Amino acid sequence: DIQMTQSPSTLSASVGDRVTITCRASQSISKWLAWYQQKPGKAPNLLIYDASSLESGVPSSFSGSGSGTEFTLTISNLQPDDFATYYCQQYNSYPVTFGQGTKLEIK
Amino acid sequence: EVQLLESGGGLVQPGGSLRLSCAASGFTFSNYVLSWVRQAPGKGLEWVSIITGSANNTYYADSVKGRFTISRDNSKNTLYLQMNSLRAEDTAIYYCTRRTSFDQWGQGALVTVSS
Repeated sequence: DIQMTQSPSTLSASVGDRVTITCRASQSISKWLAWYQQKPGKAPNLLIYDASSLESGVPSSFSGSGSGTEFTLTISNLQPDDFATYYCQQYNSYPVTFGQGTKLEIK
Repeated sequence: EVQLLESGGGLVQPGGSLRLSCAASGFTFSNYVLSWVRQAPGKGLEWVSIITGSANNTYYADSVKGRFTISRDNSKNTLYLQMNSLRAEDTAIYYCTRRTSFDQWGQGALVTVSS
């Protein structure tokens, strides 16, 4: 199984900041990576697919990059609505696996 | 508008069974791969199972293999998850999702396994 490791587990930031979350795969997954945002009590919401493609309706302040085993999610100009938990997910092979999550908190 | 609506959750005793349903609308159901993803209380996301559009292929997480069965009825636009031999560790919110990069999610169905 492919292990997905996110860092950091918790991130404290302020409105207006630019933050980066990293996701590492235990083996190459090419570009088959997605990023999700989840708020308490809600289903996750797809932000980025195929490592760098922005899902329709997602603000351009979100961007993704990487390939192979190392990927990043960058959020620029943090807004109050962006404070949530973020997950990466690989869909290169089964079983599909998620990272453990990164909680983005207000500093 | 794409909608996925889960039903069938509830409280069940260890060793019991439950069947979840996910009614879909707003897209051509048979064209899409569908999955179940679960989230235990306070925990992260765990993929459970996936089924191709024609239902020719299915895959499962090791944690549920042999106990859970995914299926679909393309004439009813409905996805199912039959869960047998349930354990306390199966307690979670179960979401149905579309595609392999999960672009659409239902609101979730809570399954609680407890005596």
